[in-house]
Amino acid sequence: EAGVAQSPRYKIIEKRQSVAFWCNPISGHATLYWYQQILGQGPKLLIQFQNNGVVDDSQLPKDRFSAERLKGVDSTLKIQPAKLEDSAVYLCASTRGGGGAAYEQYFGPGTRLTVT
Amino acid sequence: AQSVTQLDSQVPVFEEAPVELRCNYSSSVSVYLFWYVQYPNQGLQLLLKYLSGSTLVKGINGFEAEFNKSQTSFHLRKPSVHISDTAEYFCAVQRGGYQKVTFGTGTKLQVIP
Repeated sequence: EAGVAQSPRYKIIEKRQSVAFWCNPISGHATLYWYQQILGQGPKLLIQFQNNGVVDDSQLPKDRFSAERLKGVDSTLKIQPAKLEDSAVYLCASTRGGGGAAYEQYFGPGTRLTVT
Repeated sequence: AQSVTQLDSQVPVFEEAPVELRCNYSSSVSVYLFWYVQYPNQGLQLLLKYLSGSTLVKGINGFEAEFNKSQTSFHLRKPSVHISDTAEYFCAVQRGGYQKVTFGTGTKLQVIP
């Protein structure tokens, strides 16, 4: 089966510009995650969807970050306006279920964002 | 709240030598534990997971981990490493009954020829 797809793989923007990332999870996976991975740190959860509903967005900086998951499939993550500290790799992951069970997360290759 | 500590940010080891990557967690309730590996310019991939039962868990690529409830640890081991094991390894914890997974800061394993 196809894995989690993300695009673009790399993006360089200037501060105060906007940027959007796209993720296509594995077919049939109900739960989708967006993580931010700053260099030297572990992935930090930004937002979690189950189908097209938000389960957890407690660590999403809502003044500048937004995310949506249309029809419970693809998802986009947007940053507007970007700050220097947003430079990171943005990872998308999906799992086949939810509800607190220990499902394996399947990760995409990530989008490396550089804000100058 | 749950948290994960990976004390070693980098671990150099010679090829064919054994290695142990340390992971400690904190949680007041039952947890699920995971080890993920991240090769350069790739996403994370599951190595192994502990849900319940036997405390020794075997994963892919010859890795294994032992769950120690009294020490709240879940250390990853491999008896003989290969150059291809050079990667970053992340320990993660999920509180039982909840969906959120918390990742550690990662340990870079450098295998020296």
